[in-house]
Amino acid sequence: QSALTQPASVSGSPGQSITLSCTGTSSDVGGYNFVSWYQQHPGKAPKLMLYDVSKRPSGVSNRFSGSKSGNTASLTISGLQAEDEADYYCSSYTSSSTWLFGGGTKLTVL
Amino acid sequence: EVQLVESGGGLVQPGGSLRLSCAASGFTFSTYWMHWVRQVPGKGLVWVSRMNSDGSTTDFADSVKGRFSISRDNAKNTLYLQMNSLRAEDTAVYFCTREGLVATSPHGFFDYWGQGTLVTVSS
Repeated sequence: QSALTQPASVSGSPGQSITLSCTGTSSDVGGYNFVSWYQQHPGKAPKLMLYDVSKRPSGVSNRFSGSKSGNTASLTISGLQAEDEADYYCSSYTSSSTWLFGGGTKLTVL
Repeated sequence: EVQLVESGGGLVQPGGSLRLSCAASGFTFSTYWMHWVRQVPGKGLVWVSRMNSDGSTTDFADSVKGRFSISRDNAKNTLYLQMNSLRAEDTAVYFCTREGLVATSPHGFFDYWGQGTLVTVSS
């Protein structure tokens, strides 16, 4: 059960758009639309940002969007803001009835 | 307001046992599948275990299978994680989390999280 693959770090300037990737296999990301994304600020619990690949929970800004192609899911943040600086994790249900998380991407807003 | 409050963490020696609890409030606990997720400080999230709404189905990560068990008391709105044969690599913050529903079906995402409880396995 290897973790999903995410870039360790990404950076962008305020107002820019950035895309975070999350790569798995056909047994997880590619096989199901149960892909979700979480934002975690230091010392805090994770917060759900997207579920079912691209759906936003109530209260999450429409600057956050998601997509999937094959075994790779993506989270795009448009109009980057200082408050978006955090760690981001993807997650997927797997064919083994377990869940995998990605290793996390540290987003820095320059 | 949905609240998940973990307790029971602490320092335990290798080979020891610990039981974590997660007290839920603000929602109909018996309707939801519940999970445990852990995180080594400074590292990533790792899924540990889940239990369905009536307690009849459980799943575990390979790293804890045979050592950890999960249970729930729907009358007390509480989820448990019994951890036996603890190892140094089990040291982490353990989060209780709720699996979100779409319509009435669990949909593989975690919509509410507790603040976590720290488990330290060390001699």
